[in-house]
Amino acid sequence: TQLLEQSPQFLSIQEGENLTVYCNSSSVFSSLQWYRQEPGEGPVLLVTVVTGGEVKKLKRLTFQFGDARKDSSLHITAAQPGDTGLYLCAGLTGTASKLTFGTGTRLQVTL
Amino acid sequence: DAGVIQSPRHEVTEMGQEVTLRCKPISGHNSLFWYRQTMMRGLELLIYFNNNVPIDDSGMPEDRFSAKMPNASFSTLKIQPSEPRDSAVYFCASSFRTGGNMRANVLTFGAGSRLTVL
Repeated sequence: TQLLEQSPQFLSIQEGENLTVYCNSSSVFSSLQWYRQEPGEGPVLLVTVVTGGEVKKLKRLTFQFGDARKDSSLHITAAQPGDTGLYLCAGLTGTASKLTFGTGTRLQVTL
Repeated sequence: DAGVIQSPRHEVTEMGQEVTLRCKPISGHNSLFWYRQTMMRGLELLIYFNNNVPIDDSGMPEDRFSAKMPNASFSTLKIQPSEPRDSAVYFCASSFRTGGNMRANVLTFGAGSRLTVL
């Protein structure tokens, strides 16, 4: 079983602060995705990273895939209350269809 | 497109009762996934289908759980008999898989079915 550990588990910050969420595994993934989930809804895809070392930016969010494709990070600049939610990383191995989800990071951004 | 549609959104039942959760995937998607989410275990894959055929059911907890996909637009997840430890939010997701390249696979999730077994 591939385990994806996310840290921190919980994060409460004030509007305007920066933060980084980490996703780590001992397994190699062919690609890695980040999702955000809001209460009462399903996860929504934010980004997919495919190449080791790849960096993708989505407005104030920066995603990086580790060189060895075993880990990833999500950095949020100048967090806003609308960023509040559960952030999940998910790894895909080989050509299999199944995604393995991380343990999740619950972020709360207050005014 | 209305997205992935799940029903019911909420279900409260008593231990021992049969529970059936339903899912309508996005039209044109050829892969369907059932996940379960709890605080303790996070989001776990139960089973997934490609072109209506079950591919991997290794995540199904035990024989009390069964899933079917009779056609491309409908799937069910059944629990019989239900137990309190089955209480969770059950998500259905669908995607479009092209050939053997899954690197860009994108899942669209439904809003989930929250199950409480008393």
